[in-house]
Amino acid sequence: NAGVMQNPRHLVRRRGQEARLRCSPMKGHSHVYWYRQLPEEGLKFMVYLQKENIIDESGMPKERFSAEFPKEGPSILRIQQVVRGDSAAYFCASSSLSTGTADNEQFFGPGTRLTVL
Amino acid sequence: DQQVKQNSPSLSVQEGRISILNCDYTNSMFDYFLWYKKYPAEGPTFLISISSIKDKNEDGRFTVFLNKSAKHLSLHIVPSQPGDSAVYFCAASDRFYNTNAGKSTFGDGTTLTVKP
Repeated sequence: NAGVMQNPRHLVRRRGQEARLRCSPMKGHSHVYWYRQLPEEGLKFMVYLQKENIIDESGMPKERFSAEFPKEGPSILRIQQVVRGDSAAYFCASSSLSTGTADNEQFFGPGTRLTVL
Repeated sequence: DQQVKQNSPSLSVQEGRISILNCDYTNSMFDYFLWYKKYPAEGPTFLISISSIKDKNEDGRFTVFLNKSAKHLSLHIVPSQPGDSAVYFCAASDRFYNTNAGKSTFGDGTTLTVKP
């Protein structure tokens, strides 16, 4: 009964490179959320996706960041031309959202810690 | 504008005593509230939740209280144990009535230390 899986767990990039973070949701979950946690801060929502659809990207920076959740395969959070301020822990969560029910908490992966040199 | 606030960055409690973690919110559209626990180098783990139609939800040693008029919720842990030492995040969403809602808005967390 695998939980939410994220890889890599640690990622080091130099300024200007691209970072790709992967998230495989729990089995049976079709809703994926990405959050970012900067040092000494809480989790900030970035984007909410269902299969092949972006539902809410209100927390995504306007440039350099993109996310996808294809029909097959994991969800990908892509950061182009990384800068030092992108250094953070990126968490993915999944849920089996049911309409009108409250029993749909999000299950989090272990996170990817991105360090930009 | 931070919609979910945890005003105490840290809390220290003696083993066996009660731990009370507080959370305030400003968005009256929030109708579902959750508490997560997080250990270093791990993802948050769901602890307990409460919907806006209730004012209390209990699960073992953990109880969450919701005061809608004050836009305040709290997590009580009784009795506290050293293994409870972690960062606790309060989160809120409007997912119950909004079928496209999914995101949770998190507070900045409270670090709980339970001393033996």
